Amino acid sequence: DTVLTQSPALAVSPGERVTISCRASESVSTLMHWYQQKPGQQPTLLIYLASNLESGVPARFSGSGSGTDFTLTIDPVEADDTATYYCQQSWNDPLTFGSGTKLEIK
Amino acid sequence: EVKLQQSGDELVRPGASVKISCKASGYTFTSYSMHWVKQRPGQGLEWIGAIIPIIDTTEYNQKFKGKATLTADKSSNTANMELSRLTSEDSAVYYCARGGIAAIFDYWGQGVMVTVSS
Repeated sequence: DTVLTQSPALAVSPGERVTISCRASESVSTLMHWYQQKPGQQPTLLIYLASNLESGVPARFSGSGSGTDFTLTIDPVEADDTATYYCQQSWNDPLTFGSGTKLEIK
Repeated sequence: EVKLQQSGDELVRPGASVKISCKASGYTFTSYSMHWVKQRPGQGLEWIGAIIPIIDTTEYNQKFKGKATLTADKSSNTANMELSRLTSEDSAVYYCARGGIAAIFDYWGQGVMVTVSS
Protein backbone atom coordinates (compact mmCIF):
# COMPACT_ATOMS: atom_id res chain seq x y z
CA ASP A 1 0.00 0.00 0.00
CA THR A 2 1.08 3.59 -0.57
CA VAL A 3 2.03 5.09 2.78
CA LEU A 4 1.43 8.83 3.19
CA THR A 5 3.52 10.41 5.93
CA GLN A 6 2.42 13.61 7.66
CA SER A 7 3.86 15.38 10.66
CA PRO A 8 1.54 14.75 13.62
CA ALA A 9 0.96 18.25 14.88
CA LEU A 10 1.68 21.93 14.36
CA ALA A 11 0.95 25.06 16.39
CA VAL A 12 0.86 28.51 14.85
CA SER A 13 -0.48 31.96 15.69
CA PRO A 14 -3.30 33.67 13.80
CA GLY A 15 -2.07 35.57 10.79
CA GLU A 16 0.94 33.35 10.24
CA ARG A 17 1.62 31.11 7.27
CA VAL A 18 1.61 27.36 7.81
CA THR A 19 2.68 24.53 5.54
CA ILE A 20 1.55 20.97 6.09
CA SER A 21 3.52 18.31 4.28
CA CYS A 22 2.59 14.88 2.94
CA ARG A 23 5.20 12.49 1.60
CA ALA A 24 4.18 9.39 -0.36
CA SER A 25 6.12 6.13 -0.27
CA GLU A 26 5.78 5.93 -4.07
CA SER A 27 4.70 8.26 -6.81
CA VAL A 28 1.04 9.28 -6.89
CA SER A 29 1.44 11.63 -9.86
CA THR A 30 -0.83 14.59 -8.99
CA LEU A 31 -3.68 12.48 -7.62
CA MET A 32 -3.34 13.91 -4.13
CA HIS A 33 -6.20 15.55 -2.29
CA TRP A 34 -6.52 17.36 1.04
CA TYR A 35 -9.31 17.30 3.60
CA GLN A 36 -10.07 19.22 6.77
CA GLN A 37 -11.76 17.52 9.70
CA LYS A 38 -12.97 19.45 12.72
CA PRO A 39 -13.72 17.59 15.96
CA GLY A 40 -16.97 15.65 15.79
CA GLN A 41 -17.52 16.42 12.11
CA GLN A 42 -17.02 14.65 8.84
CA PRO A 43 -14.06 15.58 6.64
CA THR A 44 -14.49 18.23 3.97
CA LEU A 45 -12.58 18.57 0.72
CA LEU A 46 -10.15 21.48 0.48
CA ILE A 47 -7.81 20.77 -2.41
CA TYR A 48 -8.03 18.19 -5.19
CA LEU A 49 -5.54 17.00 -7.76
CA ALA A 50 -2.70 18.50 -5.73
CA SER A 51 -3.39 22.17 -6.40
CA ASN A 52 -7.05 22.80 -7.25
CA LEU A 53 -9.12 24.73 -4.73
CA GLU A 54 -12.52 23.19 -4.04
CA SER A 55 -15.45 25.52 -4.66
CA GLY A 56 -16.34 27.52 -1.56
CA VAL A 57 -12.99 26.99 0.15
CA PRO A 58 -11.22 30.25 1.07
CA ALA A 59 -8.31 31.25 -1.14
CA ARG A 60 -6.13 31.21 1.99
CA PHE A 61 -5.77 27.51 1.29
CA SER A 62 -3.49 26.30 -1.49
CA GLY A 63 -1.78 23.09 -2.48
CA SER A 64 1.29 22.11 -4.45
CA GLY A 65 3.43 19.14 -5.35
CA SER A 66 3.66 16.12 -7.59
CA GLY A 67 5.17 12.67 -7.46
CA THR A 68 5.93 11.98 -3.82
CA ASP A 69 6.04 15.37 -2.10
CA PHE A 70 3.03 17.55 -1.46
CA THR A 71 2.22 20.61 0.58
CA LEU A 72 -0.92 22.25 1.89
CA THR A 73 -0.44 25.92 2.74
CA ILE A 74 -2.73 28.13 4.78
CA ASP A 75 -1.88 31.84 4.58
CA PRO A 76 -2.91 33.58 6.69
CA VAL A 77 -4.09 31.16 9.35
CA GLU A 78 -7.30 31.98 11.21
CA ALA A 79 -8.60 30.66 14.53
CA ASP A 80 -11.31 28.68 12.71
CA ASP A 81 -8.63 26.62 10.96
CA THR A 82 -8.14 24.53 14.09
CA ALA A 83 -8.63 21.01 12.73
CA THR A 84 -6.88 17.87 11.57
CA TYR A 85 -5.76 17.86 7.95
CA TYR A 86 -5.49 14.68 5.93
CA CYS A 87 -3.92 13.99 2.57
CA GLN A 88 -5.34 11.21 0.40
CA GLN A 89 -3.98 9.61 -2.75
CA SER A 90 -6.05 8.05 -5.50
CA TRP A 91 -3.30 6.99 -7.94
CA ASN A 92 -2.50 3.63 -6.41
CA ASP A 93 -4.78 0.86 -5.16
CA PRO A 94 -5.89 0.81 -2.40
CA LEU A 95 -6.72 4.45 -1.85
CA THR A 96 -4.91 5.63 1.24
CA PHE A 97 -4.93 8.55 3.64
CA GLY A 98 -2.17 10.13 5.63
CA SER A 99 -2.32 9.84 9.40
CA GLY A 100 -3.35 13.47 9.70
CA THR A 101 -1.76 16.68 10.96
CA LYS A 102 -3.45 18.32 13.91
CA LEU A 103 -3.25 22.09 13.61
CA GLU A 104 -3.50 24.14 16.76
CA ILE A 105 -3.96 27.89 16.63
CA LYS A 106 -2.23 29.53 19.57
CA GLU B 1 -27.91 20.72 -2.71
CA VAL B 2 -25.97 17.48 -2.53
CA LYS B 3 -26.64 15.58 0.67
CA LEU B 4 -25.63 12.18 1.99
CA GLN B 5 -27.84 11.17 4.91
CA GLN B 6 -26.60 8.19 6.86
CA SER B 7 -28.58 5.93 9.17
CA GLY B 8 -28.35 6.11 12.95
CA ASP B 9 -25.71 4.94 15.37
CA GLU B 10 -25.60 1.22 16.14
CA LEU B 11 -24.80 -0.87 19.20
CA VAL B 12 -24.20 -4.48 18.21
CA ARG B 13 -23.03 -7.68 19.84
CA PRO B 14 -19.72 -9.31 18.97
CA GLY B 15 -20.14 -11.82 16.16
CA ALA B 16 -23.22 -10.11 14.78
CA SER B 17 -23.65 -8.16 11.55
CA VAL B 18 -24.82 -4.62 10.94
CA LYS B 19 -26.07 -2.83 7.85
CA ILE B 20 -25.75 0.92 7.54
CA SER B 21 -27.19 3.09 4.81
CA CYS B 22 -26.39 6.30 2.99
CA LYS B 23 -29.22 8.05 1.17
CA ALA B 24 -28.10 10.42 -1.55
CA SER B 25 -30.01 13.44 -2.77
CA GLY B 26 -29.38 16.53 -4.87
CA TYR B 27 -27.57 14.78 -7.70
CA THR B 28 -27.89 11.85 -10.11
CA PHE B 29 -27.06 8.86 -7.95
CA THR B 30 -25.84 6.71 -10.83
CA SER B 31 -23.38 9.32 -12.10
CA TYR B 32 -20.94 8.92 -9.21
CA SER B 33 -19.30 6.19 -7.22
CA MET B 34 -19.96 5.88 -3.50
CA HIS B 35 -17.08 5.17 -1.15
CA TRP B 36 -16.94 4.07 2.46
CA VAL B 37 -14.34 5.18 4.99
CA LYS B 38 -13.63 3.93 8.52
CA GLN B 39 -12.38 6.07 11.39
CA ARG B 40 -11.59 4.48 14.73
CA PRO B 41 -11.82 6.74 17.80
CA GLY B 42 -8.98 9.24 17.80
CA GLN B 43 -7.50 7.66 14.69
CA GLY B 44 -7.12 8.44 11.01
CA LEU B 45 -9.15 7.56 7.96
CA GLU B 46 -9.16 4.20 6.23
CA TRP B 47 -10.69 3.45 2.83
CA ILE B 48 -12.97 0.41 2.84
CA GLY B 49 -14.14 0.28 -0.75
CA ALA B 50 -16.49 1.68 -3.33
CA ILE B 51 -19.49 0.86 -5.47
CA ILE B 52 -20.36 2.22 -8.90
CA PRO B 53 -24.17 2.15 -8.82
CA ILE B 54 -24.78 2.41 -12.55
CA ILE B 55 -23.05 -0.93 -13.21
CA ASP B 56 -23.23 -2.40 -9.68
CA THR B 57 -19.49 -2.90 -9.61
CA THR B 58 -17.62 -2.95 -6.34
CA GLU B 59 -14.00 -2.54 -5.39
CA TYR B 60 -12.63 -3.33 -1.97
CA ASN B 61 -9.54 -2.61 0.01
CA GLN B 62 -8.05 -6.09 0.42
CA LYS B 63 -8.07 -5.53 4.17
CA PHE B 64 -11.87 -5.36 4.21
CA LYS B 65 -12.70 -8.20 1.85
CA GLY B 66 -14.93 -10.60 3.73
CA LYS B 67 -15.69 -7.94 6.32
CA ALA B 68 -17.63 -5.38 4.30
CA THR B 69 -20.24 -5.89 1.58
CA LEU B 70 -21.31 -2.89 -0.47
CA THR B 71 -24.61 -2.62 -2.30
CA ALA B 72 -26.65 0.11 -3.94
CA ASP B 73 -30.38 0.52 -4.47
CA LYS B 74 -30.89 2.72 -7.51
CA SER B 75 -34.64 2.94 -6.91
CA SER B 76 -34.10 4.74 -3.60
CA ASN B 77 -30.71 6.37 -4.29
CA THR B 78 -29.28 4.55 -1.29
CA ALA B 79 -25.90 2.94 -0.79
CA ASN B 80 -25.49 0.32 1.89
CA MET B 81 -22.63 -1.33 3.70
CA GLU B 82 -22.97 -4.52 5.70
CA LEU B 83 -20.26 -5.42 8.19
CA SER B 84 -20.12 -9.02 9.32
CA ARG B 85 -18.63 -11.02 12.20
CA LEU B 86 -18.13 -7.89 14.22
CA THR B 87 -15.37 -7.56 16.81
CA SER B 88 -14.17 -4.69 18.97
CA GLU B 89 -11.79 -3.76 16.13
CA ASP B 90 -14.84 -2.81 14.07
CA SER B 91 -16.00 -0.19 16.59
CA ALA B 92 -15.61 3.02 14.61
CA VAL B 93 -17.35 5.79 12.77
CA TYR B 94 -18.18 4.85 9.20
CA TYR B 95 -18.61 7.51 6.54
CA CYS B 96 -19.98 7.34 3.05
CA ALA B 97 -18.44 9.77 0.58
CA ARG B 98 -19.33 10.61 -2.98
CA GLY B 99 -16.55 9.79 -5.38
CA GLY B 100 -16.00 12.23 -8.17
CA ILE B 101 -13.48 11.94 -10.97
CA ALA B 102 -10.22 10.41 -9.76
CA ALA B 103 -11.91 9.25 -6.54
CA ILE B 104 -12.05 12.73 -5.08
CA PHE B 105 -14.40 12.66 -2.09
CA ASP B 106 -16.32 15.88 -2.60
CA TYR B 107 -19.28 15.18 -0.29
CA TRP B 108 -19.41 13.14 2.90
CA GLY B 109 -22.18 11.75 5.05
CA GLN B 110 -22.37 12.73 8.70
CA GLY B 111 -21.03 9.35 9.81
CA VAL B 112 -22.45 6.37 11.69
CA MET B 113 -20.89 5.25 14.94
CA VAL B 114 -20.86 1.48 15.29
CA THR B 115 -20.10 0.20 18.76
CA VAL B 116 -19.42 -3.49 19.19
CA SER B 117 -20.03 -4.54 22.77
CA SER B 118 -21.68 -7.32 24.73
